[in-house]
Amino acid sequence: DQQVKQNSPSLSVQEGRISILNCDYTNSMFDYFLWYKKYPAEGPTFLISISSIKDKNEDGRFTVFLNKSAKHLSLHIVPSQPGDSAVYFCAASVNQGGKLIFGQGTELSVKP
Amino acid sequence: NAGVMQNPRHLVRRRGQEARLRCSPMKGHSHVYWYRQLPEEGLKFMVYLQKENIIDESGMPKERFSAEFPKEGPSILRIQQVVRGDSAAYFCASSPDALWADTQYFGPGTRLTVL
Repeated sequence: DQQVKQNSPSLSVQEGRISILNCDYTNSMFDYFLWYKKYPAEGPTFLISISSIKDKNEDGRFTVFLNKSAKHLSLHIVPSQPGDSAVYFCAASVNQGGKLIFGQGTELSVKP
Repeated sequence: NAGVMQNPRHLVRRRGQEARLRCSPMKGHSHVYWYRQLPEEGLKFMVYLQKENIIDESGMPKERFSAEFPKEGPSILRIQQVVRGDSAAYFCASSPDALWADTQYFGPGTRLTVL
């Protein structure tokens, strides 16, 4: 029962362009969503989060959008840089506490 | 300000042996979470602990796995009688308090290989 899904296992983008990573969820009780970035042989690094009372949160080059009716969130990176190449995981939680439910990850490759 | 520390980074065990994975949370953090990542999969929640208490162990296998977070010292994830299917990366995360429970900061992970 995959409650959080990232349907694109990989994404390739040219440097300077926009990267859009997508995530769908099934549990309407989720009220907090996060994006993590992960390099090989390292732990996930927190990027940005959004509460269900918002539909957008921005932090520098990173913006997360939440569409509750569609149960969909996306991460926009603009402009994309080669150092952004990594695996990106979306995660969700209920009642803003405790365990995170992760998607399978999307491997982003930003080409110079 | 050190981040979440895990050791060992790599652990090799033969089937039937015990594996002990350690996690030291960030300074000032009293909440610890353990996750497991199998090859080609996302991270799966295992257990959530506060000092001396298990808050949520809904992701822990019923047998062979246990976790603790004592008053003093690191959190320990213990796997008894390991099997090949236990081979995975095990990540620990910590957060400061209940208000910020969702901003979890991860350690580098322990990669367990069972021969």
